[in-house]
Amino acid sequence: SQQGEEDPQALSIQEGENATMNCSYKTSINNLQWYRQNSGRGLVHLILIRSNEREKHSGRLRVTLDTSKKSSSLLITASRAADTASYFCATDNQGAQKLVFGQGTRLTINP
Amino acid sequence: GAVVSQHPSRVICKSGTSVKIECRSLDFQATTMFWYRQFPKQSLMLMATSNEGSKATYEQGVEKDKFLINHASLTLSTLTVTSAHPEDSSFYICSARDLRNSNQPQHFGDGTRLSIL
Repeated sequence: SQQGEEDPQALSIQEGENATMNCSYKTSINNLQWYRQNSGRGLVHLILIRSNEREKHSGRLRVTLDTSKKSSSLLITASRAADTASYFCATDNQGAQKLVFGQGTRLTINP
Repeated sequence: GAVVSQHPSRVICKSGTSVKIECRSLDFQATTMFWYRQFPKQSLMLMATSNEGSKATYEQGVEKDKFLINHASLTLSTLTVTSAHPEDSSFYICSARDLRNSNQPQHFGDGTRLSIL
């Protein structure tokens, strides 16, 4: 299956700064989802943005979607040490049951 | 919110043992469940997709006789790693969704760390 691409692969910032992660994909989608994974744990669903939406907010999270460029971004504002985790985007592709995951971004927030 | 429970969280056993992992959707009906394998510092690798009441669809390269999947109800799927060997050691994660609503998210269990000695 085609996997989406995320960049950067790793990001290390100071607490309080904003973190931006990007995701690109290749096919037409129903929606795009962002997940967080703490080390050794399962994935936690963060936010789902539909193909007809351009921006969505949830607390300190802001997600954008540009279907013309087949790309999405996740912005975490005012980062905290507890935000340290891996973040994955996943696309729900038209005509498919399964999500296609990106390679993930490992985010480290330094206190 | 929706919760997926995966059990056990960790298994350590001898080579040749068969190991069963359970995945339950606790407050929604999961028409479809997915089983993933994850290696350290890598993304999730889909192993198989199971629809309630039918045979699982395995991804290329995944041995169906090695990884037995049963999805007998809308709330339970099981993955059995048969005659496990050290190379089967990995982190296995299940997830579930209700495909009757295409814009509902997919929810994940907390994973099972399998270690074969």
